[in-house]
Amino acid sequence: DAKTTQPNSMESNEEEPVHLPCNHSTISGTDYIHWYRQLPSQGPEYVIHGLTSNVNNRMASLAIAEDRKSSTLILHRATLRDAAVYYCILRGIIQGAQKLVFGQGTRLTINP
Amino acid sequence: NAGVTQTPKFRILKIGQSMTLQCAQDMNHNYMYWYRQDPGMGLKLIYYSVGAGITDKGEVPNGYNVSRSTTEDFPLRLELAAPSQTSVYFCASSYGSSYNSPLHFGNGTRLTVT
Repeated sequence: DAKTTQPNSMESNEEEPVHLPCNHSTISGTDYIHWYRQLPSQGPEYVIHGLTSNVNNRMASLAIAEDRKSSTLILHRATLRDAAVYYCILRGIIQGAQKLVFGQGTRLTINP
Repeated sequence: NAGVTQTPKFRILKIGQSMTLQCAQDMNHNYMYWYRQDPGMGLKLIYYSVGAGITDKGEVPNGYNVSRSTTEDFPLRLELAAPSQTSVYFCASSYGSSYNSPLHFGNGTRLTVT
C-alpha cells in the first residue's frame, strides 16, 4: 500500500495561515488523498479529500502537486480550535476503509 | 443526528475481567469499524463490519470479539482483559466503502486494565 510521510509536529500563530505538508511519492493513479484531524480527547474527523485538482471546503483547502507526489493542507486563518493531530491518508477509488492507514500524523500547535 | 455514540467514556478493568464496549450510529450506515489508539500513536483497526451479520478481522483482532445483529449497533467484547489492551477505543461508521464515504468517529472509550 502507498505510504504517506508527514512532519511529527508544527507550530503556528493564531489568525495566520498554516500549511501542513504530506509526501506520498508512491501514490497510484487511482489513490485519493484524504485528510482527517483529531482534536484533543475526540475521535478523528474528516476534513477534505481530492484526486488531482485543488479542493476547497468550509474547513480547509487542499493543494495537490502536479505530479501528485505531495500535497498540502491549508488552514487559511488558524484558530486555537484548530490545534489537533492532522492525518494524511491515501484511499483507492473502491478501497474499503478497512485498508486505511492512520499513521502518527502531524501535531499542530497554535499559539495565541 | 447524534452520529456515532460510544459508551462508556471511561472504564477501569482488572486483569481477567470482561466487558463490552458499546457503539451505536443513527446515520443508517452499512459499514462500521473498531479502532484502538495507543498513546502517541495512530489508529489500528481491530474489527470491521460491512453490514448486519457480517464481520471481519482487522489488523489487531486478538483478544477481541464483535457481533453485528443490527445496522445501528456494533459492540466490541473483551473476554479476558490484559494490560496490553489498555488503550483508547474508537468506533466509526461510513455509508459505503468508496473514497467518497468519509468515516464518522465516536469520541472514544478510554480503557485501563490493571
